[in-house]
Amino acid sequence: EAEVAQSPRYKITEKSQAVAFWCDPISGHATLYWYRQILGQGPELLVQFQDESVVDDSQLPKDRFSAERLKGVDSTLKIQPAELGDSAMYLCASRNSGSGETQYFGPGTRLLVL
Amino acid sequence: RKEVEQDPGPFNVPEGATVAFNCTYSNSASQSFFWYRQDCRKEPKLLMSVYSSGNEDGRFTAQLNRASQYISLLIRDSKLSDSATYLCVVRVLFSGGYNKLIFGAGTRLAVHP
Repeated sequence: EAEVAQSPRYKITEKSQAVAFWCDPISGHATLYWYRQILGQGPELLVQFQDESVVDDSQLPKDRFSAERLKGVDSTLKIQPAELGDSAMYLCASRNSGSGETQYFGPGTRLLVL
Repeated sequence: RKEVEQDPGPFNVPEGATVAFNCTYSNSASQSFFWYRQDCRKEPKLLMSVYSSGNEDGRFTAQLNRASQYISLLIRDSKLSDSATYLCVVRVLFSGGYNKLIFGAGTRLAVHP
C-alpha cells in the first residue's frame, strides 16, 4: 500500500537554529498539506499545495516558516529560527484531488526545541 | 470558541462497554464530517465518514445532526485495541471553492481488561 513518507522522524534542535522537514506524498497525489499538532490538540493546517502552487498558507508564521514544493511532488517545510513554542509533531498529508476527500497522513516528524 | 469542540477525555471503560463521543461544530459552511483515529505518537487515520442519515461500520456508528451542528460516534463492545484518541473533523468550504479540514482536539479512550 502506498504511503506518505516523511523525514526525519525525530529532530532535536536548539532555539534559534534552522530545521527542515521533508515529505514525499503518495505518487500521483496533487494536493499536499503540512499540519502542526501540538501535544493535546488536533492537527492545524499550516500550508496546502495544489501541485506546486500554494493554495492556503494563512496559518503559516511567515516570519520564520517557509514551505516549497518546487516540482509539484515532494515538499520541504523549514523553520528559521526555531523557537521553544515550535515543539510539536509536523504532519504531512496528501490527497488525490480526483478521487474523493480522504487525506492520507505520513508518520510525522516530532520536533523538540531546547 | 473553537470551531470543533469535543468531549473532554479521557474515557476509561472496561472491555465490552459501549461508549459515545460527542462533537459540535460552529461553522455553518461545514460540508463533510469525519471521525479519525490517532494512536499514541502515530499519525491520524480515517475511521469513518459521517452522513446525515447516520452510518454504521461494524461496532462503530456515526450520527450527524446538521440542525444542531452535532456529530457523534458510538462504539459498541469495546476492545482493548480501540484504545486511542478519536478526532472529530469537519471539512469547511470557503469562498472560491477552496476547502480545508478542521480538527477537534480529540477525545482519548482507554479500554481496560
